[in-house]
Amino acid sequence: EADIYQTPRYLVIGTGKKITLECSQTMGHDKMYWYQQDPGMELHLIHYSYGVNSTEKGDLSSESTVSRIRTEHFPLTLESARPSHTSQYLCATQDRGIGKLFFGSGTQLSVL
Amino acid sequence: DQQVKQNSPSLSVQEGRISILNCDYTNSMFDYFLWYKKYPAEGPTFLISISSIKDKNEDGRFTVFLNKSAKHLSLHIVPSQPGDSAVYFCAASEYGNKLVFGAGTILRVKS
Repeated sequence: EADIYQTPRYLVIGTGKKITLECSQTMGHDKMYWYQQDPGMELHLIHYSYGVNSTEKGDLSSESTVSRIRTEHFPLTLESARPSHTSQYLCATQDRGIGKLFFGSGTQLSVL
Repeated sequence: DQQVKQNSPSLSVQEGRISILNCDYTNSMFDYFLWYKKYPAEGPTFLISISSIKDKNEDGRFTVFLNKSAKHLSLHIVPSQPGDSAVYFCAASEYGNKLVFGAGTILRVKS
């Protein structure tokens, strides 16, 4: 079944740790996105990719980095986590055509 | 500068009645509009969309209306059900590219 997988679902870590949030998809879509969302706020685009070896920063400045070595995989890395990184991180794919986004279940990150 | 605005943070409706969620946008180049529903600690799920060449799109209990001259769209849910209680996000895009989201409206449907 076509789907988007995000792991972990929940993560609580200490300040200064390096973390990688995983996102894999079997949707067959070329375009992938990372959004960050806090309660009561918009979804903010932090990174996107239109294909293998193509990554761009989004509208919201972020200290995270991403890579796209395989079409199915779009991990997000924080080299040194801080409490300000506490948020929900949402991975999405986009159909080549009309533009509808499909989201994974998200990773809820808490940095202590 | 928020290009997509949802000015009502929350809305409370009685079960069986109509829910109307509103959204305004500023970018006249937006040509595709979507509504997503989100539960806490989960990803948004797609509800309904509309292209700028239309002014109405219907899917079961959900109808989206687009008023291009006013740069305004709305989502109507009829009849509202307790399971509709969630956060609803309006989103817009230009030429099918990156989506821009509003801040969401919390809908509570009381039984």
